[in-house]
Amino acid sequence: AQTVTQSQPEMSVQEAETVTLSCTYDTSENNYYLFWYKQPPSRQMILVIRQEAYKQQNATENRFSVNFQKAAKSFSLKISDSQLGDTAMYFCAFMKQMGSSNTGKLIFGQGTTLQVKP
Amino acid sequence: GAVVSQHPSWVICKSGTSVKIECRSLDFQATTMFWYRQFPKQSLMLMATSNEGSKATYEQGVEKDKFLINHASLTLSTLTVTSAHPEDSSFYICSARSGGRNEQFFGPGTRLTVL
Repeated sequence: AQTVTQSQPEMSVQEAETVTLSCTYDTSENNYYLFWYKQPPSRQMILVIRQEAYKQQNATENRFSVNFQKAAKSFSLKISDSQLGDTAMYFCAFMKQMGSSNTGKLIFGQGTTLQVKP
Repeated sequence: GAVVSQHPSWVICKSGTSVKIECRSLDFQATTMFWYRQFPKQSLMLMATSNEGSKATYEQGVEKDKFLINHASLTLSTLTVTSAHPEDSSFYICSARSGGRNEQFFGPGTRLTVL
């Protein structure tokens, strides 16, 4: 069974600074997808960034980038130039590659609450 | 982008009554929909997976007779909490996936309070 672990329950960062959120996972699969979701106080889940395991290049989306270490099963999220609107709970998630027996179920980590301070 | 709506956004009901929550994919056909439950400051807990036209697959520990899921069309899934009790009070979130896409799109959630 797959597991996802986020070991930082809470973090804080000053506005305009950089912060890194950690995520590790355990799987015996070779092909899979990893995601970071943001859940602001509105509680709407928002996809931040996605990484396909077969891609060696780390995904980036504007101020958000990941450090994907497949051998170490690590998938950290770096937020650069932090903004007040980045304040949210962040979830790391794992999904097996789609197949006949896989419906695309997401396995979530425990979440990290990030507070961006002015 | 793909939009998923939920209705109602919040509901208060008396203990013993049933409550139905709707999840709709507005601009795509959702072959698979997922229902989650989330307690404050905790992660999302998957309750069940439903494919259009077939019975839902429930996660271990989730009572299928209490949480009835129907996915009758490619754009609508419903979750009915039967004989609700205060311990069923929670935030319920649905998500939807279209065939072949490796991504789930989430609804805004429904806050259920059972008095």
